[in-house]
Amino acid sequence: AQSVTQLDSHVSVSEGTPVLLRCNYSSSYSPSLFWYVQHPNKGLQLLLKYTSAATLVKGINGFEAEFKKSETSFHLTKPSAHMSDAAEYFCVHLSGGYNKLIFGAGTRLAVHP
Amino acid sequence: EAQVTQNPRYLITVTGKKLTVTCSQNMNHEYMSWYRQDPGLGLRQIYYSMNVEVTDKGDVPEGYKVSRKEKRNFPLILESPSPNQTSLYFCASSIDRASTDTQYFGPGTRLTVL
Repeated sequence: AQSVTQLDSHVSVSEGTPVLLRCNYSSSYSPSLFWYVQHPNKGLQLLLKYTSAATLVKGINGFEAEFKKSETSFHLTKPSAHMSDAAEYFCVHLSGGYNKLIFGAGTRLAVHP
Repeated sequence: EAQVTQNPRYLITVTGKKLTVTCSQNMNHEYMSWYRQDPGLGLRQIYYSMNVEVTDKGDVPEGYKVSRKEKRNFPLILESPSPNQTSLYFCASSIDRASTDTQYFGPGTRLTVL
């Protein structure tokens, strides 16, 4: 069965330091993977997506993610955190039937001054 | 402005009292779906619809109904709500089934069933 595991439920960083949000996936074929962000009291917004083109994917707001097939990982990174990055982040896998998204449990990112 | 709207945004109700959460999109999208979000579980799909009059169950359909009589609207119906349906609900849409990688999400409806 396809699944997504986000390895940290909470991550706390200081403003200006790097961000790393970890995600591992389980899939028997080449997956489509995404990161979504949810700001407090807001809906979800697509940050970036991987669909088997370049393994390093750049998204909005300076985020990027690298697809590593050997490690079955799709970690999200940002070189320098801003206060506005504080939100919940979801790693998401597109099911083989192309009719639904499978969400990880989410990682809540806190950014401190 | 392209958007997905949901109403109400907040709702407190009692067990057994039927309720409907509306969802509407103005992008002429074919594909629409409902999710519930619970702490530590991420979002789970309740129902989806690939077009008018075409709906199907997602991962957690028990206790819910949907309808798709018009392309733009996809209401979620709880015929007899129970406390375990207390959750945050999101409606989403995409151009078509093949584009579910780029879904547009509504702002969410926080439901509390007492």
